[in-house]
Amino acid sequence: GAGVSQSPRYKVAKRGQDVALRCDPISGHVSLFWYQQALGQGPEFLTYFQNEAQLDKSGLPSDRFFAERPEGSVSTLKIQRTQQEDSAVYLCASSLRTGVNSPLHFGNGTRLTVT
Amino acid sequence: EDQVTQSPEALRLQEGESSSLNCSYTVSGLRGLFWYRQDPGKGPEFLFTLYSAGEEKEKERLKATITKKESFLHITAPKPEDSATYLCAVNTGNQFYFGTGTSLTVIP
Repeated sequence: GAGVSQSPRYKVAKRGQDVALRCDPISGHVSLFWYQQALGQGPEFLTYFQNEAQLDKSGLPSDRFFAERPEGSVSTLKIQRTQQEDSAVYLCASSLRTGVNSPLHFGNGTRLTVT
Repeated sequence: EDQVTQSPEALRLQEGESSSLNCSYTVSGLRGLFWYRQDPGKGPEFLFTLYSAGEEKEKERLKATITKKESFLHITAPKPEDSATYLCAVNTGNQFYFGTGTSLTVIP
């Protein structure tokens, strides 16, 4: 079956622009995560959804970052008034259910460059 | 504070030269340790889950082991196609904490 799909693959934004990053998780997966990965670093947690409920947003760097998953499937990460420090790869991952038996399945990410 | 540390940061091996990657962790309430492989420009790909000390998992040339404080990813007779960054992550409930990874290069 299809894996996690993210779009766009690359996004270049001028500082101050708003961007929206899309994630299509694996069908039927309950949990959805957003991570930020800087070059040469491991993924850093941003936020977590269980179905449509955002259960943890403690990793969002500022109030310019906003995520939603209104129908419990597709999710959008929105960054308002982008800054150069927002440049990174944004990874989305889904898992079948919550709990330790459910590894994360990642998309290939969106590489955001803020100029 | 929950912490995951991987070593070495980078490793170069000759084809066929076996070695091990280390993942040390200090977390409260470990509920699973995961190994992932990440190729350039791709998302991490799941390899293994380990739950408790003494557990082992194997897949082709890779074998993962775990103690109460660390996990090892053993690579036996590696091939150039094993070149990638290997990430470990710990689950403490709803969150997964990742290490910074080990970049492995296998030279033909």
